[in-house]
Amino acid sequence: GESVGLHLPTLSVQEGDNSIINCAYSNSASDYFIWYKQESGKGPQFIIDIRSNMDKRQGQRVTVLLNKTVKHLSLQIAATQPGDSAVYFCAENPDTGRRALTFGSGTRLQVQP
Amino acid sequence: DAGVTQSPTHLIKTRGQHVTLRCSPISGHKSVSWYQQVLGQGPQFIFQYYEKEERGRGNFPDRFSARQFPNYSSELNVNALLLGDSALYLCASSLAGKNTEAFFGQGTRLTVV
Repeated sequence: GESVGLHLPTLSVQEGDNSIINCAYSNSASDYFIWYKQESGKGPQFIIDIRSNMDKRQGQRVTVLLNKTVKHLSLQIAATQPGDSAVYFCAENPDTGRRALTFGSGTRLQVQP
Repeated sequence: DAGVTQSPTHLIKTRGQHVTLRCSPISGHKSVSWYQQVLGQGPQFIFQYYEKEERGRGNFPDRFSARQFPNYSSELNVNALLLGDSALYLCASSLAGKNTEAFFGQGTRLTVV
């Protein structure tokens, strides 16, 4: 069925280290993926997206990798900062015609000073 | 530039009452989607509207309804409120309906007592 899962509910890293947040998806028909950051009491903030015809996309301090063979998505954050502490969601857009994003339950990133 | 704006930010209602939540998309965006986020979980898709027509509906009861106005703003209505409807209701806007960046508002925190 349609589901987006995350391997780790909580990730703790030291300030300045690189962070890697992983996500598994089950719908092989999904053709668009987005990573969101959500801070307490706020709505999800768009970080980066990737389409299924790509396997890597880079932004400012962030990189998203897509492995369609194993249906795996990852978000890499370089030189993690305290302001990066938040819950991170991956979302997929299955090609079901519903035009809906399917979200996972999220990974909490804690940055230790 | 104004982002996605939602009103009200917080709301307390009694079981059985009705509620209307409002969303104004980013200027130029024609698609609005509604999501429900229960504490500790990822957002769940409720509706999507594009060019004032419903383009997608999630697995929510008929107590939930929505509409989009000519200026592309949108309302989400929930009738006969249940305790389980307590959640953060998020609105997302995008230029088009599918496979384009979706930007979220801050959400409306609904508490049903």
